[in-house]
Amino acid sequence: GAGVSQSPSNKVTEKGKDVELRCDPISGHTALYWYRQSLGQGLEFLIYFQGNSAPDKSGLPSDRFSAERTGGSVSTLTIQRTQQEDSAVYLCASSLSGGSETQYFGPGTRLLVL
Amino acid sequence: SQQGEEDPQALSIQEGENATMNCSYKTSINNLQWYRQNSGRGLVHLILIRSNEREKHSGRLRVTLDTSKKSSSLLITASRAADTASYFCATRLIQGAQKLVFGQGTRLTINP
Repeated sequence: GAGVSQSPSNKVTEKGKDVELRCDPISGHTALYWYRQSLGQGLEFLIYFQGNSAPDKSGLPSDRFSAERTGGSVSTLTIQRTQQEDSAVYLCASSLSGGSETQYFGPGTRLLVL
Repeated sequence: SQQGEEDPQALSIQEGENATMNCSYKTSINNLQWYRQNSGRGLVHLILIRSNEREKHSGRLRVTLDTSKKSSSLLITASRAADTASYFCATRLIQGAQKLVFGQGTRLTINP
């Protein structure tokens, strides 16, 4: 079946603009995760959704970052008033449930803030 | 700071040789996973080892876990050019959320 998909693949924006990144998880997966990967670095956890529970937002770096998950499926990560340090690859992953160990990753969105 | 630290940061070997990558972590874990990433894009899950396991095999992959030393190793035997990628260890903590905590990764290059 289809894997995790993300759009856009690449996004170039100007400093101060808002951006929205989209993630479509694997159908039937109840858990969804957002990570950020800066150049040459490991993945940094941002936010986690599990079913209808309140999301774990502990990894969001500032209040300019927010995410929502509508209908328990598609998720949107929004970055307001983008800064150059926001430039990174944003990766989304899903798993069958929050207790499932294996996370399936999308191809990521490469964000460049000029 | 990151939970995991990987060693070496970069590794270059000849095709057919074995590649060993190491990962150290700081706090108690539920399990440790290894992922592969090609060209800075999505990660692919390779293998998971639980905290009560010491060694696990999957094809040409062998993973060990030493909880007393808080370390793990990933061995790729008979390497192939297609194994060229970045390899990350990720830990699921005993206490805390369902998130994975990733190391910085090892960049592996297999020379033909």
